[in-house]
Amino acid sequence: NAGVTQTPKFRVLKTGQSMTLLCAQDMNHEYMYWYRQDPGMGLRLIHYSVGEGTTAKGEVPDGYNVSRLKKQNFLLGLESAAPSQTSVYFCASSYGEGNEKLFFGSGTQLSVL
Amino acid sequence: QQQVKQSPQSLIVQKGGIPIINCAYENTAFDYFPWYQQFPGKGPALLIAIRPDVSEKKEGRFTISFNKSAKQFSLHIMDSQPGDSATYFCAASFSGSARQLTFGSGTQLTVLP
Repeated sequence: NAGVTQTPKFRVLKTGQSMTLLCAQDMNHEYMYWYRQDPGMGLRLIHYSVGEGTTAKGEVPDGYNVSRLKKQNFLLGLESAAPSQTSVYFCASSYGEGNEKLFFGSGTQLSVL
Repeated sequence: QQQVKQSPQSLIVQKGGIPIINCAYENTAFDYFPWYQQFPGKGPALLIAIRPDVSEKKEGRFTISFNKSAKQFSLHIMDSQPGDSATYFCAASFSGSARQLTFGSGTQLTVLP
């Protein structure tokens, strides 16, 4: 069982470039989330989805877009990367209300130069 | 605005010691309080969680103590081992919010052999 898989694991971008991070889960989870982790700040929610075709903004959504066209996939896009988006990005998923355990991927380390 | 405050930022104990990590929250709507453990290069993993209808929960060597009136909860690790060296995050969520987790800033625990 793969769980939550994130690709790529590492990426270096130049300011202004775009990229998409892919998250895939094989547990039939309804809820999916994108977090960023920065030193001393814990994990902050970027966007989330409560089901296929739905997305919503989290605490720090600016500069990011998401899509959930299929239940098992949740994509995070950066249209014009900025140095402030240098971070470690984690995708997570859960069954939803009543079963709140989050399963996290192993992360994507992104550097924007 | 940080709604979950975690302390200390770092903690060093000897093997067999009992590290204690504290968290305080502001939002009285929170009704689910998990602790996540993260090893370097990995995503966080659920360690233990509590709901406000109980004051304590134990799972193996890990105990959560919960004080609803003070809006505080803490993690105790009994008989700590070098393998417990990791970063620990407290978090909180409430029903109707798609179970968005608000994380504390993290505590880096080192258990010396």
